[in-house]
This record gives sequence, structure tokens and C-alpha cells, in this order.
Amino acid sequence: GAVVSQHPSWVICKSGTSVKIECRSLDFQATTMFWYRQFPKQSLMLMATSNEGSKATYEQGVEKDKFLINHASLTLSTLTVTSAHPEDSSFYICSAGTSGSFGEQFFGPGTRLTVL
Amino acid sequence: AQSVSQHNHHVILSEAASLELGCNYSYGGTVNLFWYVQYPGQHLQLLLKYFSGDPLVKGIKGFEAEFIKSKFSFNLRKPSVQWSDTAEYFCAVNEYSSYKLIFGSGTRLLVRP
Repeated sequence: GAVVSQHPSWVICKSGTSVKIECRSLDFQATTMFWYRQFPKQSLMLMATSNEGSKATYEQGVEKDKFLINHASLTLSTLTVTSAHPEDSSFYICSAGTSGSFGEQFFGPGTRLTVL
Repeated sequence: AQSVSQHNHHVILSEAASLELGCNYSYGGTVNLFWYVQYPGQHLQLLLKYFSGDPLVKGIKGFEAEFIKSKFSFNLRKPSVQWSDTAEYFCAVNEYSSYKLIFGSGTRLLVRP
């Protein structure tokens, strides 16, 4: 149980285009979903927290107009990287949590974004 | 602000050696503590977690961790490592009333056969 999927697993796009990444909780309802960014050989950096049906809360330094997050249902959250640039190339990971999990998060496999 | 420190960035061991990875956090309130593992090319998986109760917690694959409140520590241990334990290990903490996880910088473990 507690499986989180991400789609796509990798994506290559041209500079200036937008990319959407989906995060789904497959066998549970996620009241809260999180989006992280992981640079090579570094730890996970929390970008934003989203609760179903409400606006995402972004961490300091993360541009909310560039990284659009939508949490439309209890099983789906999307991250859209708008007007992507090469510096946005990274590994994006989502996780999901439930109200009864004492803060435990279940992680997706990640999406590798390369912007040319 | 909360922070999590992992003192060992790279650890190299031979098979059957004992392992201890350090983790310290800075937060004075009640916390939940986690160790996650990321095997090469795979996603983060939960090794073990501490919410309350017995400060010595046992996780999967023979790992255990001890919560020492007075030292703000949650060190990960395994008595005898295997080659398959080669991975990156992350300590993480969240405040009791928050879902927000703060991760340490990670420790890369290489186990030589």
C-alpha cells in the first residue's frame, strides 16, 4: 500500500516551453502533497506543500508563478514548470501524506527534467 | 529554523562491518523522526520512523535507530552491512503538528564486497 506514482519519469524540453508533471497516490487519499527538488548528489529541497482544494504554500525563494501547483483531487497533484530554462533542469520528486500518518510521507519515483 | 545535520557525507565499509550514521536535529519541541534510503536509480523508501514510545526503533532490512532526546540525535545503525546496502541515506524530521519534512544532506554509503 501507499504507492505514489509520477508521470513522466523523464522529460526533455526546449527552453521557454512549459512542462507538467503529475503526481498520483494510487491506493490512498492524500490530504497533503509535497514537491521537492533534488540536485545531483544533494539532499531534497522542499519547494511547496499543497492541500487538496486550496492554494499551495511555497517555500522561501521558490517562484510560485514559475512553479504552478494544482492539487485538484485527493489523488492527484500537478507541478507545471512554466517557461522552463536550463537552470530548471533537475530531479523533481513528489510525496504524499495522509491525516492519519503522523507526518510520514510516501515518495514518488521522481521526474528528471532536462531543459535544452 | 529547524535543521538536520548528518555528519558523515561519505562512508565506505567492507561487508559484515558495523554501521552507524549520525543524525542531529535542532528543534526543541516534539518531533517525528525518519530515516529514508535511496538505492541507486530508485525512489526514496522509508527505513524506519519514530513517533513516540520506545526510543529504540527497528526498521526494515536489519536497520535500527535510537532516539536520544537529550542529545537531539537519531542515529542509524546496522550490526553487519551487506553489499546491497550501498545507497544514500537521509535523516528527516518534522514537527509533531506539521507534515513538513526537513531533510539532512544525506550520507552516501558504499559497501565493498
